[in-house]
Amino acid sequence: GAGVSQSPSNKVTEKGKDVELRCDPISGHTALYWYRQSLGQGLEFLIYFQGNSAPDKSGLPSDRFSAERTGGSVSTLTIQRTQQEDSAVYLCASSLDSLPADTQYFGPGTRLTVL
Amino acid sequence: AQSVSQHNHHVILSEAASLELGCNYSYGGTVNLFWYVQYPGQHLQLLLKYFSGDPLVKGIKGFEAEFIKSKFSFNLRKPSVQWSDTAEYFCAVKQALSQGNLIFGKGTKLSVKP
Repeated sequence: GAGVSQSPSNKVTEKGKDVELRCDPISGHTALYWYRQSLGQGLEFLIYFQGNSAPDKSGLPSDRFSAERTGGSVSTLTIQRTQQEDSAVYLCASSLDSLPADTQYFGPGTRLTVL
Repeated sequence: AQSVSQHNHHVILSEAASLELGCNYSYGGTVNLFWYVQYPGQHLQLLLKYFSGDPLVKGIKGFEAEFIKSKFSFNLRKPSVQWSDTAEYFCAVKQALSQGNLIFGKGTKLSVKP
């Protein structure tokens, strides 16, 4: 079956521009997660959704970052006024539910480069 | 705050050598533990997970991990590595009674020489 998909796979933008990153979770998965992977770092949690609600936004690094999820499916992560330190691979994952033992399935990521 | 430590940044082995990658976490309560692998050019995949029961967990491709609660550890092992095991390995933890995100270590890059 189809896995988690993300688009675009690569995005190069200029400092100060806004970007939107998209995630399509596995069909039927109610929980969706965004992580960021920077060079030499592990995965840093950004935000997660249960349905269309975001119970935990604690990982968003600044108010330039926002995310939404509509119809319990597709999610968009928006970064406004991008900065060079935003350059990273942005990963999306989904799980059947958000129960502790649920496996999170990851997408291929979007590589964001801010010039 | 919870954290996950992976002791080795880069491990280089020859084929058929045995592998052990260390993982320690800092949360004192009940946890669920995961190992993910990222092969070159591919996305993260689950290798194995522990959430209860037998502390020795077997995963895909001959990998196993042992949860030692007293040591807050969840080390990954494989008796004989292959060139195809070249990848980056990430340990992750989640509080057993919480919903939401995984806490990841910084990863260990494994290079296996043919």
